[in-house]
Amino acid sequence: DGGITQSPKYLFRKEGQNVTLSCEQNLNHDAMYWYRQDPGQGLRLIYYSQIVNDFQKGDIAEGYSVSREKKESFPLTVTSAQKNPTAFYLCASSMGGPVTEAFFGQGTRLTVV
Amino acid sequence: RKEVEQDPGPFNVPEGATVAFNCTYSNSASQSFFWYRQDCRKEPKLLMSVYSSGNEDGRFTAQLNRASQYISLLIRDSKLSDSATYLCAVNMPGGTSYGKLTFGQGTILTVHP
Repeated sequence: DGGITQSPKYLFRKEGQNVTLSCEQNLNHDAMYWYRQDPGQGLRLIYYSQIVNDFQKGDIAEGYSVSREKKESFPLTVTSAQKNPTAFYLCASSMGGPVTEAFFGQGTRLTVV
Repeated sequence: RKEVEQDPGPFNVPEGATVAFNCTYSNSASQSFFWYRQDCRKEPKLLMSVYSSGNEDGRFTAQLNRASQYISLLIRDSKLSDSATYLCAVNMPGGTSYGKLTFGQGTILTVHP
């Protein structure tokens, strides 16, 4: 089945730890995105990548890092510099280009304990 | 001014009602527009793309007004199952890439018996 897979579904992190969220797609999409969603809020863009080995900061990139070494994979690291990391993290992909819709993975709920 | 803005609602309507949502965007060069539906604690799912000529899918109608920079979603004959959060998304051009997909904060719809 083609789709976007995020793992894990739930993640607990101690304060001061870095954690990496996985996002893999087998849709042969060029573009991939990471969003953060807080309760009752919309989606805020963290990072996005239009092509392998290239990515751009979104609106709330501070405290996060990404890599795009393979077309299929776009992992997100939440670093200890992110002061309020508890949120719902959503990965999306699209074919790329200016007029293509994005499709989402099931999300990862990160909780700092 | 936010790049993409929606009335967060909530909208509470009876079954069978017609309800409309608007979404304004700031960048006049934006080229693509979408409506997504998000159920509680789930990922957003594409409801429909928005074309310049307007488009309809069953009870749902989407329209684009470039002059006033807004898109709209009309739901006719509301069903209980339409209860969800509706998110608009706009491709915001920028730099040398095709731009980023930016979401509004979402509009909550509750349809009651």
